[in-house]
Amino acid sequence: AQKITQTQPGMFVQEKEAVTLDCTYDTSDPSYGLFWYKQPSSGEMIFLIYQGSYDQQNATEGRYSLNFQKARKSANLVISASQLGDSAMYFCAMRDSGNTGKLIFGQGTTLQVKP
Amino acid sequence: KAGVTQTPRYLIKTRGQQVTLSCSPISGHRSVSWYQQTPGQGLQFLFEYFSETQRNKGNFPGRFSGRQFSNSRSEMNVSTLELGDSALYLCASRHEQGAPLHFGNGTRLTVT
Repeated sequence: AQKITQTQPGMFVQEKEAVTLDCTYDTSDPSYGLFWYKQPSSGEMIFLIYQGSYDQQNATEGRYSLNFQKARKSANLVISASQLGDSAMYFCAMRDSGNTGKLIFGQGTTLQVKP
Repeated sequence: KAGVTQTPRYLIKTRGQQVTLSCSPISGHRSVSWYQQTPGQGLQFLFEYFSETQRNKGNFPGRFSGRQFSNSRSEMNVSTLELGDSALYLCASRHEQGAPLHFGNGTRLTVT
């Protein structure tokens, strides 16, 4: 069965510093997609970045980058130059095989950015 | 472009009642998925609709049902509410296969 593991329940980072949020996954499907979402206290889930299993390069979106290590089955999110507005819950998710709208989510990591 | 809109934002219901939640996807998106988020179980997939057909279903009892209309708007219904149904219900839409899901603000349901 597919599984996502986020081992860091909570993290602190100083404003303007970089932070890495860990995510490991387990799947036997050779084709899969990995996503990161941000959930502020307001509740909405905000899409940040996507990595396909066959993508040759690590995904980047502005201050977000994904450190994709396929052999280790890890897809860590790197946030550069942290801002106070980055304080939120972050979820790693994997698209279920079959390319459907079903995502399997990790338990999330709460990030707090200190001024 | 307007985002995914969920109504209402908050609901308080009593055990045994039923509830209907509404979701309007982003214009042009034909796929709508529903998720339940609780502190204990995290985010769990309920079901997905595409072109008015349920395409995928999560592991939830039959009390949870949904439907999608021809304009892609979707509703989710929970009958015979239980205390454990208290949760944030999130709706998401996507443009095409492989595209990321775009979520709404959610409906926070409290069952007393």
